[in-house]
Amino acid sequence: GQQLNQSPQSMFIQEGEDVSMNCTSSSIFNTWLWYKQDPGEGPVLLIALYKAGELTSNGRLTAQFGITRKDSFLNISASIPSDVGIYFCAGYNFNKFYFGSGTKLNVKP
Amino acid sequence: DAMVIQNPRYQVTQFGKPVTLSCSQTLNHNVMYWYQQKSSQAPKLLFHYYDKDFNNEADTPDNFQSRRPNTSFCFLDIRSPGLGDAAMYLCATSRDLIPYNEQFFGPGTRLTVL
Repeated sequence: GQQLNQSPQSMFIQEGEDVSMNCTSSSIFNTWLWYKQDPGEGPVLLIALYKAGELTSNGRLTAQFGITRKDSFLNISASIPSDVGIYFCAGYNFNKFYFGSGTKLNVKP
Repeated sequence: DAMVIQNPRYQVTQFGKPVTLSCSQTLNHNVMYWYQQKSSQAPKLLFHYYDKDFNNEADTPDNFQSRRPNTSFCFLDIRSPGLGDAAMYLCATSRDLIPYNEQFFGPGTRLTVL
């Protein structure tokens, strides 16, 4: 089946630092989504990307749909303690979404 | 506010005792999905409905069934829960499959099997 490689698996950063995480695959995707999940809650959609090369921002978050359609990255600028959580990427092809394994973000105040 | 609602948030059942989880949406979306998520793992798609059309994932056990009586509601039935079925169950909706396919998740139901 399709596989998304999401990295890093976890990050420990200081408040105020910028963060970058990415997802790569050997397959082409038509849509990329980025989610944040807090413990015990459902994933919350952060950014949706539909076109190769597309760069989209949502507040301090910026995500890009890779030009090859096989990857996407998410940047968080000036991190704050409430950014703590697990971030998932999801890529869409063959009529379903495939999820990355998640990046666990820890922010030290 | 328009949203995806899951009830209950926490469900405890006994080994082998059937259980039903429910999901409702006020988004009027065509597609509803059920995912299983185990601790620290990515959500795993069990099945989805496009309107009334049911689409099962090939590796979803027969123990898991679903019903969608109308646009707003979708149910997950676990006929004989085993200890390995303890997980968070997530319902999600999307307006369509492509291109308006961004999925919106409910808060999840945490299932415990005793």
